[in-house]
Amino acid sequence: DSGVTQTPKHLITATGQRVTLRCSPRSGDLSVYWYQQSLDQGLQFLIQYYNGEERAKGNILERFSAQQFPDLHSELNLSSLELGDSALYFCASSTRGRGGVNTEAFFGQGTRLTVV
Amino acid sequence: AQSVSQHNHHVILSEAASLELGCNYSYGGTVNLFWYVQYPGQHLQLLLKYFSGDPLVKGIKGFEAEFIKSKFSFNLRKPSVQWSDTAEYFCAVNDDSSNTGKLIFGQGTTLQVKP
Repeated sequence: DSGVTQTPKHLITATGQRVTLRCSPRSGDLSVYWYQQSLDQGLQFLIQYYNGEERAKGNILERFSAQQFPDLHSELNLSSLELGDSALYFCASSTRGRGGVNTEAFFGQGTRLTVV
Repeated sequence: AQSVSQHNHHVILSEAASLELGCNYSYGGTVNLFWYVQYPGQHLQLLLKYFSGDPLVKGIKGFEAEFIKSKFSFNLRKPSVQWSDTAEYFCAVNDDSSNTGKLIFGQGTTLQVKP
């Protein structure tokens, strides 16, 4: 168990809909990262939050957004869903984010999103 | 932009065979390097990491990797694989200067170990 909790584990929804994926980081970790894993694109970094603020942005579509709340949990919102958004969405957390000691990221179990 | 290349997409080995998975990255600055493993249906788990110091790093489950700066490589090795090593392996790079910790992943290598 990595200590990173993601809910739900599976999500099936229709095209055009909006979903919210939730991530609770490891206790004490201020950084939360979102990654998308798909067959054609592999594992891609989407976005990072550090202590409530957006810290880095990757290949995240405009239809997607994220936020990190004061209790440090994070949500990834996916809207106007398309078939191609079907993927495994991972959340990771670490103490890294604004310099300091090197440390690795710990990954959650992922949310498998299927858009039909 | 940084990129990570894993040369072997699908590797099939018999138990007790030796394993080497190639990983090359394309960033000339200071990098942190990782190998993650993903067992079927599970999350990514860290096998080993390199931040600095001895370029030969040892990880869990008998895995090791060697950082060769001149070749921009971080190959993963295991002297004798087991059936339980069947999984997908990802090499990842973090640009140390960005101070964000975000990872750039390779495409992954699927390892199938035959009993």
